[in-house]
Amino acid sequence: GQNIDQPTEMTATEGAIVQINCTYQTSGFNGLFWYQQHAGEAPTFLSYNVLDGLEEKGRFSSFLSRSKGYSYLLLKELQMKDSASYLCAVRGTGGGNKLTFGTGTQLKVEL
Amino acid sequence: KAGVTQTPRYLIKTRGQQVTLSCSPISGHRSVSWYQQTPGQGLQFLFEYFSETQRNKGNFPGRFSGRQFSNSRSEMNVSTLELGDSALYLCASSAGTGITGQYFGPGTRLTVT
Repeated sequence: GQNIDQPTEMTATEGAIVQINCTYQTSGFNGLFWYQQHAGEAPTFLSYNVLDGLEEKGRFSSFLSRSKGYSYLLLKELQMKDSASYLCAVRGTGGGNKLTFGTGTQLKVEL
Repeated sequence: KAGVTQTPRYLIKTRGQQVTLSCSPISGHRSVSWYQQTPGQGLQFLFEYFSETQRNKGNFPGRFSGRQFSNSRSEMNVSTLELGDSALYLCASSAGTGITGQYFGPGTRLTVT
């Protein structure tokens, strides 16, 4: 099975940098995804990591260490609109697209 | 390209009834997955269909079922509704496996009274 842990809440200041951590324990691993979900809306795909290292996409970067079962999402130059829930999800090795999600980190960006 | 669409957006049903939800994936996407989202349990995987075949299944009772049509549209059905089935049901489509992410529809908000 899969077990995914993320902090429940984080607060950061507009313009700052924030790192949201995710640790996972899995019987099989075939990729880690990050999604953003605003209140009342559907999750939006942000990033995907399957190999160790950093993937950068604009203000968002995601890092993966498979040996440590660890990932983080880095958000730079925070904006008020970044206030949302950030979901970490792991895909197992059973084939297909079955994702196991963490419970999400609620990020609040303040002035 | 149009995104993932789900119908209906909102639904109110009574305990014991059954319900069918519909999902149309992004054009060209052959994989459709269904998730249940509740405040207490978060996002939980229900099942995935690919080319009309169920490819993965989560840990939900047999009251939850689904199917996929030749045009990749998918439906999920919940029979004998319980109060605990009240949730946001999200459909996600993907071109396949690999580096492609899953793209979610707006969801169907089901309330069981």
